[in-house]
Amino acid sequence: DAGITQSPRHKVTETGTPVTLRCHQTENHRYMYWYRQDPGHGLRLIHYSYGVKDTDKGEVSDGYSVSRSKTEDFLLTLESATSSQTSVYFCAISEMGSGGTDTQYFGPGTRLTVL
Amino acid sequence: QQQVKQSPQSLIVQKGGISIINCAYENTAFDYFPWYQQFPGKGPALLIAIRPDVSEKKEGRFTISFNKSAKQFSLHIMDSQPGDSATYFCAASRGNNNDMRFGAGTRLTVKP
Repeated sequence: DAGITQSPRHKVTETGTPVTLRCHQTENHRYMYWYRQDPGHGLRLIHYSYGVKDTDKGEVSDGYSVSRSKTEDFLLTLESATSSQTSVYFCAISEMGSGGTDTQYFGPGTRLTVL
Repeated sequence: QQQVKQSPQSLIVQKGGISIINCAYENTAFDYFPWYQQFPGKGPALLIAIRPDVSEKKEGRFTISFNKSAKQFSLHIMDSQPGDSATYFCAASRGNNNDMRFGAGTRLTVKP
């Protein structure tokens, strides 16, 4: 898993509550990503970070915010969870592979259910 | 709209057979095309990837075929094994990889 851990691994919450998911990496990678995975949609990028305090939006960023105060931690926050945010969330890091290609490695995922 | 379209949604193959999964993309700026393999309860893992300057890349039993003019690429799994049963995702990105687009996935079942 390229030294990536996610916490919690499972969470059930209620509509309207705030939720924070944590991604932790041990190998000092510059780039970190948050994706959501839903049936029929594959994986879709929510936000990514290219350094401490440097973040940008992805394809499906509405309703989500992120923070990166340390190289090793990338937090995803749902300010007010909705049922449409029920999904499996994956963190990924980017590592330069052979030929100068960035290869993304994924964490084990967090299954979030919003009731 | 989905920028990478993947087919089929599911595929059943006999052990020893060839599994073929196809993807088509829209954005001609894409220049990196990876395939990921995902087992239940796990994160996707990079299987093989190709850049558009070559038409084919082979790693063991796995081969990517790339057709730049048709904007299509495919994954071939030779001598498919029950252990290959997983969900496969194609993806495409450009430049610095910060906007990778994934296909919807193909669930492969290899019957013994």
